[in-house]
Amino acid sequence: DAGITQSPRHKVTETGTPVTLRCHQTENHRYMYWYRQDPGHGLRLIHYSYGVKDTDKGEVSDGYSVSRSKTEDFLLTLESATSSQTSVYFCAISGLDGATSYEQYFGPGTRLTVT
Amino acid sequence: QKEVEQNSGPLSVPEGAIASLNCTYSDRGSQSFFWYRQYSGKSPELIMFIYSNGDKEDGRFTAQLNKASQYVSLLIRDSQPSDSATYLCAVMRGNNRLAFGKGNQVVVIP
Repeated sequence: DAGITQSPRHKVTETGTPVTLRCHQTENHRYMYWYRQDPGHGLRLIHYSYGVKDTDKGEVSDGYSVSRSKTEDFLLTLESATSSQTSVYFCAISGLDGATSYEQYFGPGTRLTVT
Repeated sequence: QKEVEQNSGPLSVPEGAIASLNCTYSDRGSQSFFWYRQYSGKSPELIMFIYSNGDKEDGRFTAQLNKASQYVSLLIRDSQPSDSATYLCAVMRGNNRLAFGKGNQVVVIP
């Protein structure tokens, strides 16, 4: 168990509302990632963080923003949710204690439905 | 060409047989490769990683890497019903990011 949790685990929201998903780690992993997983597309990177306040875009970042104000928390925000953002969202972590290790470990996921 | 390709359809194997999964990648400079297992409704779980050409064995799993041909394989020996899952291939990009294939479903038939 890599000590990673996501909240909420399930959420139903309406189009146009803001939504924030939280990823929390209990160990000191340098890197944190947000992915979405959709049938036919596999796992796609939304945003990632390589340190506190250091973030960058992934391949499907439009409509999403992130923040990392402390090591243990990485927040994903949908500013104005759309139906195309209905998906399963996974957080992942890597780089325990800043080590150069490339293995990523995933959280349990959040199932988001935008109606 | 897609960055990571897993082209095979669902794979059905009898219990006790060997399941063989293949993955090709487009970036010749890639150095690190990963296999994840994902049960339906669950999150991906890392089962193997390989950084050097050749074979790496861990229990019933063997990862094979051929950088010259740009493919990485996963063999599951003595397949069990609990191995029924989707297997995701991933390749390291720059800055500790992974590119994933779409996955291959494996069904082990008792």
